[in-house]
Amino acid sequence: TQLLEQSPQFLSIQEGENLTVYCNSSSVFSSLQWYRQEPGEGPVLLVTVVTGGEVKKLKRLTFQFGDARKDSSLHITAAQPGDTGLYLCAGEDENWEKLTFGTGTRLTIIP
Amino acid sequence: NAGVTQTPKFQVLKTGQSMTLQCAQDMNHNSMYWYRQDPGMGLRLIYYSASEGTTDKGEVPNGYNVSRLNKREFSLRLESAAPSQTSVYFCASRPGHNGPYEQYFGPGTRLTVT
Repeated sequence: TQLLEQSPQFLSIQEGENLTVYCNSSSVFSSLQWYRQEPGEGPVLLVTVVTGGEVKKLKRLTFQFGDARKDSSLHITAAQPGDTGLYLCAGEDENWEKLTFGTGTRLTIIP
Repeated sequence: NAGVTQTPKFQVLKTGQSMTLQCAQDMNHNSMYWYRQDPGMGLRLIYYSASEGTTDKGEVPNGYNVSRLNKREFSLRLESAAPSQTSVYFCASRPGHNGPYEQYFGPGTRLTVT
């Protein structure tokens, strides 16, 4: 069974600060996706990274896939209250059949 | 375009009762998934159907059964509910299973077993 550990589990910071969320595993993944989930709703995809070392930017969010395709990070610059939510990483298995989700990071941005 | 729909939204069961959670998608997706979400555990895969006519076990299949009724519908059945099955259940779909496709999630079913 592939496992994905996210850290930190909870993060509460002031508006305008920067933060980084980590997603780590001992397994290699074909791709890595990041989702964001609002209370009472299902997760929604933010980004997919496929190539080892790949970096993708989505406005103030920067995503990186580790060179060995075992880990990933999400960096948010100048956090806004609208960034509040549960962030989930998800790794794709080698057969492209299913995702393994991380344990989640609950982010709260204080105005 | 409704996307992925799930019924019911909420359900309370007594231990030993059975129920079926319904899921349907209108995006002509080939692959469908059932997850459960517990506090501090992220999403755990219960069963999935990579394509119409196939189903496979995920990480936590015990106590559940599934049926891929047709391309649109994928149901999850609890034959004899247990308190450990109290959770929020999400259904998801995606176009296929041979690439890094996005999964589209339903709104979830909150199940409590007493």
